[in-house]
Amino acid sequence: EAGVTQSPRYAVLQEGQAVSFWCDPISGHDTLYWYQQPRDQGPQLLVYFRDEAVIDNSQLPSDRFSAVRPKGTNSTLKIQSAKQGDTATYLCASSLGDRGTGQLYFGEGSKLTVL
Amino acid sequence: QQKVQQSPESLTVSEGAMASLNCTFSDGTSDNFRWYRQHSGKGLEMLVSIFSDGEKEEGRFTAHLNRASLHVSLHIREPQPSDSAVYLCAVSSWMGYKLTFGTGTSLLVDP
Repeated sequence: EAGVTQSPRYAVLQEGQAVSFWCDPISGHDTLYWYQQPRDQGPQLLVYFRDEAVIDNSQLPSDRFSAVRPKGTNSTLKIQSAKQGDTATYLCASSLGDRGTGQLYFGEGSKLTVL
Repeated sequence: QQKVQQSPESLTVSEGAMASLNCTFSDGTSDNFRWYRQHSGKGLEMLVSIFSDGEKEEGRFTAHLNRASLHVSLHIREPQPSDSAVYLCAVSSWMGYKLTFGTGTSLLVDP
């Protein structure tokens, strides 16, 4: 069974540029999460979806970050006008349901460097 | 807001010696505790999850939970050099998957 797939794996930008990250969750998983992991820190939840609906985006910097999951499968996280403080690895995870004793499955992440 | 802290920040152990990692959390309603491992440049691999006070063993990895003390620990039996990685504690409430992570413990296992 394929795991969670993310692309691109790496991106290097100048401040002010935009970037999009793409995530393909495990087939059949209805819940998808985007986490931001700055260097030497733990992951921090940005947003999560149940099917195509946003359930929680309270930690998503809404002025420059946006996330969509239009068909309830793949998802895109976009950063507009990137800042040096956005330098981090962006992790996507998926699960069946959003609570219980099951597992979240994480992708390998997209590492962003903003110069 | 939930705060999750891990100690020590880094730990070096010899191959075969027990490694013990600690995690404290601030929200007493927390009921979902997970330990993940992250090798450099890789995603997160879940090692063990625990939902009630006591002990849970998964192979060489054992989690101990004491919710009254707001403390969960991970013990790695007979660690190997391939266990060298960052270990992350994650906590949530209402059995949800909206996890709050600690900052991690970097483990180095010397051969």
